[in-house]
Amino acid sequence: GAVVSQHPSWVICKSGTSVKIECRSLDFQATTMFWYRQFPKQSLMLMATSNEGSKATYEQGVEKDKFLINHASLTLSTLTVTSAHPEDSSFYICSARRGGLETQYFGPGTRLLVL
Amino acid sequence: AQSVTQLGSHVSVSEGALVLLRCNYSSSVPPYLFWYVQYPNQGLQLLLKYTSAATLVKGINGFEAEFKKSETSFHLTKPSAHMSDAAEYFCAVSSETGGFKTIFGAGTRLFVKA
Repeated sequence: GAVVSQHPSWVICKSGTSVKIECRSLDFQATTMFWYRQFPKQSLMLMATSNEGSKATYEQGVEKDKFLINHASLTLSTLTVTSAHPEDSSFYICSARRGGLETQYFGPGTRLLVL
Repeated sequence: AQSVTQLGSHVSVSEGALVLLRCNYSSSVPPYLFWYVQYPNQGLQLLLKYTSAATLVKGINGFEAEFKKSETSFHLTKPSAHMSDAAEYFCAVSSETGGFKTIFGAGTRLFVKA
């Protein structure tokens, strides 16, 4: 149990386009989902926390208009990178948490390359 | 605020040798502590977690970690390294009062020599 999927697993796009990444909890209801980005050979940096049905809470320095997060249901959260630029190229990882429990379950990640 | 410090960005051991990856945390509230492993181009896999129960925590693949409050440490060990253990390891901390936001350490890359 506790499987989290991400789609797509990798995406290449042109500069200026928008890219949507989906994060799904497949076998449990996730009251909270988290979005991280990871640059090569670096650690995961938390971008934002999203709770179902409410606005996401962004970490300091993360542009909320650039990285749109929607958590429309207990099993789905989406991250949209708007007007992507090469510096947005990164590995984006989501995680999901069941209500009342401390463990997060991580998705396999989405590699974004902006040309 | 919470933080995690992993001592040593790279650790190299011989196959069959003891693995010791160091992690120190800072937290003003009782922490939850985690160790994750990441293989190249993959997501994170939970190795083990400390949630205020037993201080010695056993995880998957023969790994274990001991929570030492007096030392604010949560070091990861494995008695005998396998080649398949070569990966990136992340120590992480969260808390209920912090909304379960997970803060990761910088990571330690483990190399296993034949």
